[in-house]
Amino acid sequence: DAGVIQSPRHEVTEMGQEVTLRCKPISGHDYLFWYRQTMMRGLELLIYFNNNVPIDDSGMPEDRFSAKMPNASFSTLKIQPSEPRDSAVYFCASSSEGRRETQYFGPGTRLLVL
Amino acid sequence: GIQVEQSPPDLILQEGANSTLRCNFSDSVNNLQWFHQNPWGQLINLFYIPSGTKQNGRLSATTVATERYSLLYISSSQTTDSGVYFCAVVHGSGNTGKLIFGQGTTLQVKP
Repeated sequence: DAGVIQSPRHEVTEMGQEVTLRCKPISGHDYLFWYRQTMMRGLELLIYFNNNVPIDDSGMPEDRFSAKMPNASFSTLKIQPSEPRDSAVYFCASSSEGRRETQYFGPGTRLLVL
Repeated sequence: GIQVEQSPPDLILQEGANSTLRCNFSDSVNNLQWFHQNPWGQLINLFYIPSGTKQNGRLSATTVATERYSLLYISSSQTTDSGVYFCAVVHGSGNTGKLIFGQGTTLQVKP
């Protein structure tokens, strides 16, 4: 399997612009997770899906962030409008079970908002 | 919520040395994973180990769930082992699959 695929790998944008991050989970995995890594807060969960349905979005920082999973093989994380404090590395992960199985992480998207 | 503490925060080794990294957690867990974040930022799965002992080459890990800690052993360290090692857990109570990460141990292996 190719593993979790994320795109783009790097994104530089200006404040106020819309940013869309994409993720393709490992085939057959029913759970998809979005995490964010910053120097200040470390790695933290933003949202996760089970069978394309959002289960826990308590980590989504504010209304500027939204995530969708239209089908089992694709998810997006959108930031609109983006702000400099959104600069971070965004990781997508997937697993075959929500709590008791390994979560496999993608390579991440490094976002810089100027 | 559950707390995850890793020690030491930083570690410098000479190539060939052995090391032990520790992860303490404050409550029961359903899931415990060790990751290596390499200098390129990739998070590499090392172990899924909510309890017991596992070995993979020069790396091994032990989790004593009843005492709420896990240890990662690195033997005969190599420069490619450099990076940040994270421990992450899923809280045993509740239904969430959220991984809670420790702050990491930054390892530098010198040639």
